Amino acid sequence: KAGVTQTPRYLIKTRGQQVTLSCSPISGHRSVSWYQQTPGQGLQFLFEYFSETQRNKGNFPGRFSGRQFSNSRSEMNVSTLELGDSALYLCASSFTGNTEAFFGQGTRLTVV
Amino acid sequence: GESVGLHLPTLSVQEGDNSIINCAYSNSASDYFIWYKQESGKGPQFIIDIRSNMDKRQGQRVTVLLNKTVKHLSLQIAATQPGDSAVYFCAEFPRSVNYGGSQGNLIFGKGTKLSVKP
Repeated sequence: KAGVTQTPRYLIKTRGQQVTLSCSPISGHRSVSWYQQTPGQGLQFLFEYFSETQRNKGNFPGRFSGRQFSNSRSEMNVSTLELGDSALYLCASSFTGNTEAFFGQGTRLTVV
Repeated sequence: GESVGLHLPTLSVQEGDNSIINCAYSNSASDYFIWYKQESGKGPQFIIDIRSNMDKRQGQRVTVLLNKTVKHLSLQIAATQPGDSAVYFCAEFPRSVNYGGSQGNLIFGKGTKLSVKP
């Protein structure tokens, strides 16, 4: 059974640009959550999608958005990138959102 | 004040010894907990979970203990190996009053760095 797949693994963007990250959950999992990991703040919850609906959202500005498709794949978008957005972005999938959550390898975003 | 960077607690053990990693969680209403292992450059790897109706759960070489009275979790690793060297995080699911669940919102602890000396 394939694990959680995130693409791309690495990205370098310039301030002001926007970026889209992709996450394919484990087959059968309908919940996808996104997290930001930085040395200063640790792992912080961004949002969670289930059956194409955002059910929960963390304390991030509106520049951070996401969506989920009918096949449960999810994307997150960050617009008007800032230097502080440099981080490892992780997605996690689970059956319901309240059960075992499995993470992908992450996308390392560097904003210059 | 706000910390500039996370200073991870570090646990250094000799290969073959047992390791105990501790975690204090924040929400007394949390009812589900997970331990993750994260190696450098990788995503967190699921190790073991426990629900709040249990106080102990065992896996392969790992045991998780839950003390709800003091909101404390611990992860015990038996016969620690060099491959166990990583950062270990505990995570909790706080119960949401709106949905009766937490909808994927894991709250992570700051992590403990485990270093295994051969």
